[in-house]
Amino acid sequence: DTAVSQTPKYLVTQMGNDKSIKCEQNLGHDTMYWYKQDSKKFLKIMFSYNNKELIINETVPNRFSPKSPDKAHLNLHINSLELGDSAVYFCASSQAWAGASGELFFGEGSRLTVL
Amino acid sequence: QQQVKQSPQSLIVQKGGISIINCAYENTAFDYFPWYQQFPGKGPALLIAIRPDVSEKKEGRFTISFNKSAKQFSLHIMDSQPGDSATYFCAAGSGGSNYKLTFGKGTLLTVNP
Repeated sequence: DTAVSQTPKYLVTQMGNDKSIKCEQNLGHDTMYWYKQDSKKFLKIMFSYNNKELIINETVPNRFSPKSPDKAHLNLHINSLELGDSAVYFCASSQAWAGASGELFFGEGSRLTVL
Repeated sequence: QQQVKQSPQSLIVQKGGISIINCAYENTAFDYFPWYQQFPGKGPALLIAIRPDVSEKKEGRFTISFNKSAKQFSLHIMDSQPGDSATYFCAAGSGGSNYKLTFGKGTLLTVNP
């Protein structure tokens, strides 16, 4: 009954490969996010979607392509992986639409290692 | 441009002591100030949050102090316990169609037994 679940938890791959991370939330939230946490633990937003519509794209290279088939799912596909893409990627959700601010609920993260 | 500045980067406290982590923000449009706690291998989880209409919020051993005029807020952990050892992040958000949380760089807290 995990609120925000991500798969896989670990990915190890070679430079140049393509990989995907899947995220699902069962909280009934309208807004979902991808955050990147680098080796220094800094959490930086990448994308947000509201009800399948892209809202925030924080100058992320276009090798990263999010896709939201419905409001409960937000996947992240990464093409032509580079060493600098190694990080932990967190999916999150919130019910902070309609002008209100509030809590983000995070998944447990997907650790990507590019060799 | 770092919109939320957090200090210290790391903190070591003895069991039973007080842990204090500070944050400063720049954007006066922020109206939600949460603190998140992250254990190794886990995602960040909300610990406590405050809105700018109050100057202090307490939940158990955790207290947020908020100074709107100085654009600063802090987390106090009273009677710190080894189980509190984790990375703590302050964050700030403002409502709107492009709502997000902007995080500080984190503080690694170690509570020695």
